[in-house]
Amino acid sequence: DVKVTQSSRYLVKRTGEKVFLECVQDMDHENMFWYRQDPGLGLRLIYFSYDVKMKEKGDIPEGYSVSREKKERFSLILESASTSQTSMYLCASSSTGQGEKLFFGSGTQLSVL
Amino acid sequence: GENVEQHPSTLSVQEGDSAVIKCTYSDSASNYFPWYKQELGKRPQLIIDIRSNVGEKKDQRIAVTLNKTAKHFSLHITETQPEDSAVYFCAEGVGGGYNKLIFGAGTRLAVHP
Repeated sequence: DVKVTQSSRYLVKRTGEKVFLECVQDMDHENMFWYRQDPGLGLRLIYFSYDVKMKEKGDIPEGYSVSREKKERFSLILESASTSQTSMYLCASSSTGQGEKLFFGSGTQLSVL
Repeated sequence: GENVEQHPSTLSVQEGDSAVIKCTYSDSASNYFPWYKQELGKRPQLIIDIRSNVGEKKDQRIAVTLNKTAKHFSLHITETQPEDSAVYFCAEGVGGGYNKLIFGAGTRLAVHP
């Protein structure tokens, strides 16, 4: 069974801090995604990557960056956290050529104070 | 750009009744339309999907219909049960090998015994 693991379930940070959210998948998937989930807004795509060292902006990339140095790991970086970035962050992965099914991690609830 | 509108935002039904959730998309090039279910405190999981070359797909008590001309698709749940209570997200898949999904805002379905 595909496993997508996010390093933290809950995280509390202060405004201005640099924040790293880590995601690891164990199924050799080519594609990885970062979404944020907010009530009434659904799942909004921040960034995605379809290969090592490749990245593409999603719908709301402002204030975020990503890193994919290894195929199994996709990191989301908040360069200077703000209160507006308090949210649930979901990582997902999928395999090219095996359908578009996304496998999600369990999420990181980030609170920026 | 891609946009998915989902209605209603909340839906309350009695056990045994049917539930219908509707989504409208904007990109004519979209060719893949999945539905994800997210139970309270859990990660979203794919429950059914449909591709643009078919008009309907069924899996036991759930079905999805697609009207390409009108650019809308719907999720139908028959004989609802309390365990169907969850948030349901529709999505549109924008082509390309990396399988980018754009999600609707979600529908919170409550099934009352």
